[in-house]
Amino acid sequence: RKEVEQDPGPFNVPEGATVAFNCTYSNSASQSFFWYRQDCRKEPKLLMSVYSSGNEDGRFTAQLNRASQYISLLIRDSKLSDSATYLCVVTGNAGNMLTFGGGTRLMVKP
Amino acid sequence: DAGITQSPRHKVTETGTPVTLRCHQTENHRYMYWYRQDPGHGLRLIHYSYGVKDTDKGEVSDGYSVSRSKTEDFLLTLESATSSQTSVYFCAINRGSNSYEQYFGPGTRLTVT
Repeated sequence: RKEVEQDPGPFNVPEGATVAFNCTYSNSASQSFFWYRQDCRKEPKLLMSVYSSGNEDGRFTAQLNRASQYISLLIRDSKLSDSATYLCVVTGNAGNMLTFGGGTRLMVKP
Repeated sequence: DAGITQSPRHKVTETGTPVTLRCHQTENHRYMYWYRQDPGHGLRLIHYSYGVKDTDKGEVSDGYSVSRSKTEDFLLTLESATSSQTSVYFCAINRGSNSYEQYFGPGTRLTVT
């Protein structure tokens, strides 16, 4: 079983739609959680950290369920520019080591 | 902009030749990382460094060595490149200050023929 699992997609949605991605992780000792965004042929870029209480940044909302070892990302009012691959990332037993999911590809259509 | 550069950005080399990739940071961060990214595998850690001359292995370290003689530079060496090492290589830094977020350089596309 992979340490961090994501549905690879692609998720094809129209502009303005709401879309949600899920991620599960296997290491119950993980303490920090992140969503990264990666555009085609570019480096991953931090989108947002995920806090236990849930957090929101504009159109993006992240949720963490430690009991179920589950992380989610909700994107509201999708824009064409949101088209990218979204990586779920968790820390390992050592906080300075990250484990990456394989990514979920989102394609927003006009 | 995380202040990280990688060189070269693209390289084609032949099987059996040595290759060195360079990661340079301008912010004096302690932790630096080398990853490779391949279809179907996502990002995998090769080696990391927690200070000058302090390095450790990651998940896929076989066939790779690293060196860090200065805070700002972290070198990844393929002693004898193989076709299985064709990949995109990313360097990353951790800014510390109680945060585990990592910031990535632009990547190096390496093709071993």
